[in-house]
Amino acid sequence: IVMTQSPATLSVSPGERATLSCRADEFISTNLAWYQQKPGQAPRLLIYGASTRDTGIPARFSGSGSGTEFTLIISSLQSEDFAVYYCQQYNNWPRTFGQGTKVEIK
Amino acid sequence: QVQLVQSGAEVKKPGASVKVSCKASGYIFTTHGITWVRQAPGQGPEWMGWITVHNGNTKYAQNFQDRVTMTTDTSTSTAYMELRSLRPDDTAVYYCARTYGDYLFEYWGQGTLVTVSS
Repeated sequence: IVMTQSPATLSVSPGERATLSCRADEFISTNLAWYQQKPGQAPRLLIYGASTRDTGIPARFSGSGSGTEFTLIISSLQSEDFAVYYCQQYNNWPRTFGQGTKVEIK
Repeated sequence: QVQLVQSGAEVKKPGASVKVSCKASGYIFTTHGITWVRQAPGQGPEWMGWITVHNGNTKYAQNFQDRVTMTTDTSTSTAYMELRSLRPDDTAVYYCARTYGDYLFEYWGQGTLVTVSS
């Protein structure tokens, strides 16, 4: 399954809202996770089941969608949120990731 | 706390093999699988495969099926990933991740840079 993320880069001011999109080329129900990756670090699990935040993830992160279209919203960007975000499907083998959306400071 | 500590960076020549280790602590090693993911420079992560620690069953991505072997040593709570017949395009950071079920990568190692160059 090919995961396509858009946009590739998102320029946002601190305190503003960021909306990231992820599309699967096949139906994946809600078998989708979102990860955050900062430079030089491993990815960090944010959301699974398309909308369930992992333990300790702030409420400003929210996920939605099902089927083939998914969205990650960061409601009010904090300085520590500037990073690359990846979606990943786990409906089929092999597990596949998108190419990422870089959220940068405007 | 859960920690996965990987072995250090490697430089290999084309055609060689590399074996990366991933030592787990902070949980009972046999209760969760380990997934291996790699990330080439500037690219998204790529799933390589998964091993169930309690019985050693594996599932590999077709791209790596003929070249990769994943194993575990429960006596030392360590997982291993060996990749053979290395090519320059295998240059990447290789990660291990503790896996919930067979699909959720909850905790990650710090990554191991493998450079393949003549």
